[in-house]
Amino acid sequence: EDQVTQSPEALRLQEGESSSLNCSYTVSGLRGLFWYRQDPGKGPEFLFTLYSAGEEKEKERLKATLTKKESFLHITAPKPEDSATYLCAVRGIGDTDKLIFGTGTRLQVFP
Amino acid sequence: EPEVTQTPSHQVTQMGQEVILRCVPISNHLYFYWYRQILGQKVEFLVSFYNNEISEKSEIFDDQFSVERPDGSNFTLKIRSTKLEDSAMYFCASSGQQGGNQPQHFGDGTRLSIL
Repeated sequence: EDQVTQSPEALRLQEGESSSLNCSYTVSGLRGLFWYRQDPGKGPEFLFTLYSAGEEKEKERLKATLTKKESFLHITAPKPEDSATYLCAVRGIGDTDKLIFGTGTRLQVFP
Repeated sequence: EPEVTQTPSHQVTQMGQEVILRCVPISNHLYFYWYRQILGQKVEFLVSFYNNEISEKSEIFDDQFSVERPDGSNFTLKIRSTKLEDSAMYFCASSGQQGGNQPQHFGDGTRLSIL
């Protein structure tokens, strides 16, 4: 069965303190790995799609990378407005169209 | 930027009552989905819908659940006889293409509270 595990569950950073969030996955043939941001009381907001090992995507202070077993979301010099829960989801060959989500990493950035 | 809109934002219903959650997907999208998130838990897939048919459904999506695209813009989720355990955030999502590395775009959800 396809699975997604995210770590850490929660992360507290000082503004400007760079760090990385991890998403480990087990899937029978990866068709896509997705990063979303979720603010309290809101729906997941799409950030990145990754498909091939070695692929990297960037958006402002965020960079997502992908290996055959895991993905990292690197946050460089975070600001308080980066505080949110970051969700990782995968779609495997056996999953047709559905996304399998991890439990997320709750990031808090303090000024 | 186009977005998925969901109504109502919060629905409070007595156990055993029927509830309909409404969604307006992004206008040129053809693939539609419902997910739910119980407080503190993962986002879970319920159902996918394309060309007026269910493409796939999860074990959660039992006979109490149904989906419909009643017109060219709305997509609804009906729960026939609600249970306490149906209390959750329900998210609608849409995609312009199916599968592969195509992202799904989510609405802000309906918080369903069953009393």
